[in-house]
Amino acid sequence: KNEVEQSPQNLTAQEGEFITINCSYSVGISALHWLQQHPGGGIVSLFMLSSGKKKHGRLIATINIQEKHSSLHITASHPRDSAVYICAVYNNNDMRFGAGTRLTVKP
Amino acid sequence: DSGVTQTPKHLITATGQRVTLRCSPRSGDLSVYWYQQSLDQGLQFLIQYYNGEERAKGNILERFSAQQFPDLHSELNLSSLELGDSALYFCASSLGTAPYEQYFGPGTRLTVT
Repeated sequence: KNEVEQSPQNLTAQEGEFITINCSYSVGISALHWLQQHPGGGIVSLFMLSSGKKKHGRLIATINIQEKHSSLHITASHPRDSAVYICAVYNNNDMRFGAGTRLTVKP
Repeated sequence: DSGVTQTPKHLITATGQRVTLRCSPRSGDLSVYWYQQSLDQGLQFLIQYYNGEERAKGNILERFSAQQFPDLHSELNLSSLELGDSALYFCASSLGTAPYEQYFGPGTRLTVT
C-alpha cells in the first residue's frame, strides 16, 4: 500500500461542476502540498497546508491531520483546469507523492 | 514563470554515458530540490540542498550525485546511464528548508537510448 493515496485516479467533469479530489496518507507529516501538472509537463504548487483550510480563487484545500486526509476542491470548473493534480506529503526531510488525479473538464 | 530555470530542456544520450542537469533557483531562494518523474514510478524526491549543503536525501541512486554551488545554482549528475533513467527531472526551489512552498522549474526530459 502506498503511503499517499489519491482518489479518483481519473475524473471527467462538465464545465461549471464542483470538483473534489481526495488524498489520504499513512505517515505523520509536517506539511502537505497540492501540485498541478499541466499537459505540457510543467508543475505548479497550488497550496501548502499543515492545518485547516486555504483558498485561492476557485481552489480550496483542506486538511484533517487527525484523519490523515486532505481534499482539493475546484468550484465552477473550467476546461483550463484540466491537468493532473498531485498530492505530496512532507515528513522528516522526505517528500512522498501520490500517483495523481487526471482531471478533464469538458466545455 | 516560476523564476526557476533548468537546462537543457531535452537531452538524448546513450546507455553508459554521463550527463549533467543544471538548475538556477528563484532569486532569494536558498533551497534546491531535485525530483525524478518516470512513467512507472511517478514523482520521486531525489535530494535537497540548502545554502550549499546537502539537507535531505530521498530515493537517489548511487550513480547519481548533486551539488549546490556558492551562487546557489545546482547540478545533478547522472552517470552510467540505463534505459530506466529516462524520465523528466525537475528542480524546485524554496526560501528555506521545508516545509516552505516550492517553485518548480520546467524540467529536463532525459531520454536514454
